[in-house]
Amino acid sequence: DGGITQSPKYLFRKEGQNVTLSCEQNLNHDAMYWYRQDPGQGLRLIYYSQIVNDFQKGDIAEGYSVSREKKESFPLTVTSAQKNPTAFYLCASSPQPGGYTFGSGTRLTVV
Amino acid sequence: GIQVEQSPPDLILQEGANSTLRCNFSDSVNNLQWFHQNPWGQLINLFYIPSGTKQNGRLSATTVATERYSLLYISSSQTTDSGVYFCAVDSIKAAGNKLTFGGGTRVLVKP
Repeated sequence: DGGITQSPKYLFRKEGQNVTLSCEQNLNHDAMYWYRQDPGQGLRLIYYSQIVNDFQKGDIAEGYSVSREKKESFPLTVTSAQKNPTAFYLCASSPQPGGYTFGSGTRLTVV
Repeated sequence: GIQVEQSPPDLILQEGANSTLRCNFSDSVNNLQWFHQNPWGQLINLFYIPSGTKQNGRLSATTVATERYSLLYISSSQTTDSGVYFCAVDSIKAAGNKLTFGGGTRVLVKP
C-alpha cells in the first residue's frame, strides 16, 4: 500500500541534543512538508520541498534543518537552537497540484 | 499571508444529530482540504475541494470559492466522528502548494 511512514512514533531529547525525525513516502509525490502541532492548536509549516535537492523555509523554520537527497525521503533535524521543541511533528506529501497525505506523526518530548 | 477561520471552535452532539462546520478564508485559493484528526493524532484527508460539492457517505462538503468559504456537513453523527476537524487552504498568491491550517473545530459526539 502507498503511504507515508514516520519514525519513531515517540522520541525523547535531552537538552542541547540534536535529533532527526524520519519521513519516507512511496506515493511518488514530488512535494513533501513538515508541520508542527502544539497541544490544542492547528498545524504550522516548518519546511517544505517541491523537488529533490531543493527546500524552502516555512513559517517557523528557526531551530530546524532538513535535506531532500531522495524523492522518497525528507528527514527533519531538530537542533539545540530550537528552544521549545516539545510538540507533535507531522510529515506530508502531495502531487503538484493536489491534496496532501499525512503520516502518523512523531511526538517529541524534551527531558 | 492568508487567514483561515473555523467555526464553531467546539461542538457537542448527540449521536444521530446533524451538524455544519464552517471555514472562512481571506484570499483566493488553489487548494482546500478538510481533515479529521483522530484521538491518536492521525490526520485523515476527508475532502480535496477547492470548489464545488462532494459527498462521501455521511459526510459532504461545499466550497464557494467566490465567497471564500467552505462548509463540512456531518449527518447522522456517530461517536467515531469525534475528534478535531481542520480546514486548510493554499493561497493562489503563494508559491508552491503550501497549506495554511485553521484552528480547528473540536467535535464530541455523545452516545
